[in-house]
Amino acid sequence: DGGITQSPKYLFRKEGQNVTLSCEQNLNHDAMYWYRQDPGQGLRLIYYSQIVNDFQKGDIAEGYSVSREKKESFPLTVTSAQKNPTAFYLCASSRDRNTGELFFGEGSRLTVL
Amino acid sequence: GESVGLHLPTLSVQEGDNSIINCAYSNSASDYFIWYKQESGKGPQFIIDIRSNMDKRQGQRVTVLLNKTVKHLSLQIAATQPGDSAVYFCAENLGRTTSGTYKYIFGTGTRLKVLA
Repeated sequence: DGGITQSPKYLFRKEGQNVTLSCEQNLNHDAMYWYRQDPGQGLRLIYYSQIVNDFQKGDIAEGYSVSREKKESFPLTVTSAQKNPTAFYLCASSRDRNTGELFFGEGSRLTVL
Repeated sequence: GESVGLHLPTLSVQEGDNSIINCAYSNSASDYFIWYKQESGKGPQFIIDIRSNMDKRQGQRVTVLLNKTVKHLSLQIAATQPGDSAVYFCAENLGRTTSGTYKYIFGTGTRLKVLA
């Protein structure tokens, strides 16, 4: 079945460590996104990519980095520069060029110890 | 693991009754809206969408109403079932950014609890 796969589902990190969250899609979507979800807040955009080898900062990009070497893959690295990294991270991709309808993965919960 | 806010507004509905969840959106230029359902520890699932040239759209057991005058969106779920228990949030599409992708603003969500 086509879909978006995020891994790991749960991740624990010590302060000062970088971690990378994986996002893979087999939907043949061009656009991919990373969002952060915190209690009581709407989803906030971290980074997005419209096409391979190109990506743009979202609203809260500081402390994060991404790459888009393949159409199917859009990994997110949470660096030690991110001051409050504990959150639920959601990867999404966009199918319809007319509407930009978003399809989401199952999420990755990062906890900093 | 709980992935969505612990302090969300909550709507409690008796099983079999209809549910109405509301959302106020921010930008009068938004032209496309989506309702998502999110169960605990999972990613959001698409429920139904509506474009700004419509004021009502129906799906299976769900109806979305759009009132552009007051920038209000609602999701109606008919004959609510226990499996409908989740957090529901709306998303408004602000249109394309200068880089060509779509900009969304997401609501904080409403928790729906279905009482047996």
